[in-house]
Amino acid sequence: LAKTTQPPSMEAYEGQEVNVSCSHTNIATSEYIYWYRQVPHQGPQFIIQGYKDYVVNEVASLFISADRKLSTLSLPWVSLRDAAVYYCIVTDIHYGGSGNKLIFGTGTLLSVKP
Amino acid sequence: EAAVTQSPRSKVAVTGGKVTLSCHQTNNHDYMYWYRQDTGHGLRLIHYSYVADSTEKGDIPDGYKASRPSQENFSLILELASLSQTAVYFCASRGSGKERLFFGHGTKLSVL
Repeated sequence: LAKTTQPPSMEAYEGQEVNVSCSHTNIATSEYIYWYRQVPHQGPQFIIQGYKDYVVNEVASLFISADRKLSTLSLPWVSLRDAAVYYCIVTDIHYGGSGNKLIFGTGTLLSVKP
Repeated sequence: EAAVTQSPRSKVAVTGGKVTLSCHQTNNHDYMYWYRQDTGHGLRLIHYSYVADSTEKGDIPDGYKASRPSQENFSLILELASLSQTAVYFCASRGSGKERLFFGHGTKLSVL
């Protein structure tokens, strides 16, 4: 099960684009990349998932390097509501076993200034 | 939207007492997870299950038991609650393969 490494914190101003990086150097071919965020007193919320290349949804975009060892979550035009801890996790998509443990790392605390 | 319901939402327990936290999902998901979160820290995996009547240890299983009597229900059991187990506990479920996690609202446990 691949571990992930993220910067502990980031700061941005409202309206800026924010890019949060995640290193997963030991990612296996059967592992998928997921991003979640958590605000205080709430459970984590799903943002986006991907396997390779580029994925986009209504909330964010996700770029995955060609070797899949690095992914970058991009949040366009952040607002104060985007202040949260952002988690990158990887998990095996094969059924059963320890590869499905879904381990959360320490995440990246994003602070947004007005 | 998939639903994961935890009960109770909060609980106060005494040291040495038995505590059972319950989780119910109506998503027909195979996988269920229990995490704990201490104030100001990330989520840590306690136990998980990918089929009824079977549970697996996560990263911090000591002091906790888990039970998966059916696909829909997953319980976390503290046989002898301790002060160090004061935390917020989150249950989550997901389907097989590439599906994402769906979280419950959490249970705030205070052990006194």
